[in-house]
Amino acid sequence: DIQMTQSPSTLSASVGDRVTITCRASQTISRWLAWYQQKPGKAPKLLIYKASTSQSGVPSRFSGSGSGTEFTLTISSLQPDDFATYYCQQYNTYWTFGQGTKVEI
Amino acid sequence: EVQLVESGGGLVQPGGSLRLSCAASGFIFRNYAMHWVRQAPGKGLEYVSAISSDGDYTYYANSVKGRFTISRDNSKNTLDLQMGSLRSEDMAVYYCAKGEGSSWFESYDYWGQGTLVTVSS
Repeated sequence: DIQMTQSPSTLSASVGDRVTITCRASQTISRWLAWYQQKPGKAPKLLIYKASTSQSGVPSRFSGSGSGTEFTLTISSLQPDDFATYYCQQYNTYWTFGQGTKVEI
Repeated sequence: EVQLVESGGGLVQPGGSLRLSCAASGFIFRNYAMHWVRQAPGKGLEYVSAISSDGDYTYYANSVKGRFTISRDNSKNTLDLQMGSLRSEDMAVYYCAKGEGSSWFESYDYWGQGTLVTVSS
């Protein structure tokens, strides 16, 4: 099974900060990686797929990069609505989620 | 508008059974693989099961293999998850999710609101 490891687990930041979350795969997954945002009590929301393609309607401050085994999600200027938990997911070989990164004030 | 509405959650005793359903609308259901994902209280997302668009292929996480069965009815636009031999560690919010594209390995572009399964005596 492919394991996904996110870092950090928790990230403290302020409005306006540039934030980067890293996701590493235990084996190569090409660019078959997605990023989701989840707020408390809500379903996850797709932000990025195929490592760097933004889902329709997602603000341009969210971007994804990487290939192979290392990927990043960047929020260029953190907004109040962005405080949430973020998950990566590989879908190269079945499906696996990372453990999540909580972005808090 | 795409909608996924789960139902069937509730309280069940350890060793018991429960059937979850997901009613889909707003897209051509028969064209997409569908998935179940769960989230235990205060924990992260855990993949549970998948079914291909035509229902011919299924996949289960090791944690539920042999106890859960996924199925779909493309004439009724519904997705089901039959859960048996339930354990305390199965207690979670269960989400159904739609594959983003037409192939088997895809991200999930729409999720339901989730249904809570509580396993307790």
